[in-house]
Amino acid sequence: QSALTQPASVSASPGQSLTISCTGTSSDIGIYNYVSWFQQHPGRAPKLILYAVSDRPSGVSNRFSGSKSGNTASLTISGLQTEDEADYYCISYTTSSTWVFGGGTKLTVL
Amino acid sequence: EVLLVESGGGLVKPGGSLRLSCAASGFSFSSYTMNWVRQAPGKGLEWVSSISRSSTDIEYADSLKGRFTVSRDNVKKSVYLQMNSLRAEDTAVYYCVRGGAGRPHVDYWGQGTLVTVSS
Repeated sequence: QSALTQPASVSASPGQSLTISCTGTSSDIGIYNYVSWFQQHPGRAPKLILYAVSDRPSGVSNRFSGSKSGNTASLTISGLQTEDEADYYCISYTTSSTWVFGGGTKLTVL
Repeated sequence: EVLLVESGGGLVKPGGSLRLSCAASGFSFSSYTMNWVRQAPGKGLEWVSSISRSSTDIEYADSLKGRFTVSRDNVKKSVYLQMNSLRAEDTAVYYCVRGGAGRPHVDYWGQGTLVTVSS
């Protein structure tokens, strides 16, 4: 079970938009839409921000959106705010009936 | 409100054992798959194990098979992780995470419990 591939870090200025990619294989992202994204602030438990590729849980800002193409899922954050500075993790269900996380992306809002 | 409260973490010597517990409330526990996820200090998230609603389907990360055992008690609304032959690399915060009710899904997390393996 190799981890999904995410960029280690990204940065942008307040108000800008950015996209974080999450690349897997035909055994996980490529075959399932069971891809979720979590946001984790330092010292806190992760929080679900997207599930089923692009669905938002109740209460999550519509500034967060998701998509998928082939073996790669993407998280886009629009209108960046300082509180968006956090670590972001993707996760996908796999054909082995297990879950695999991405390595995480540290977002810095400049 | 969905609430997951882990307990049982602590300091243990290499080769030792520890049993983590997770008490659930605020949802129909027996209807949901449950998961354990861990995070080593300063590192990313790692899925550890999942257990289905009736314990018929249990999965583990390949790196952990044979050392960790997950179980649940739907009457007590709790899920457990028995960890044996612990190694320094098992040092992490262990999170209890709610899974799906009939489909693959992960959503709510507990606050985590720290396991430190050190002599």
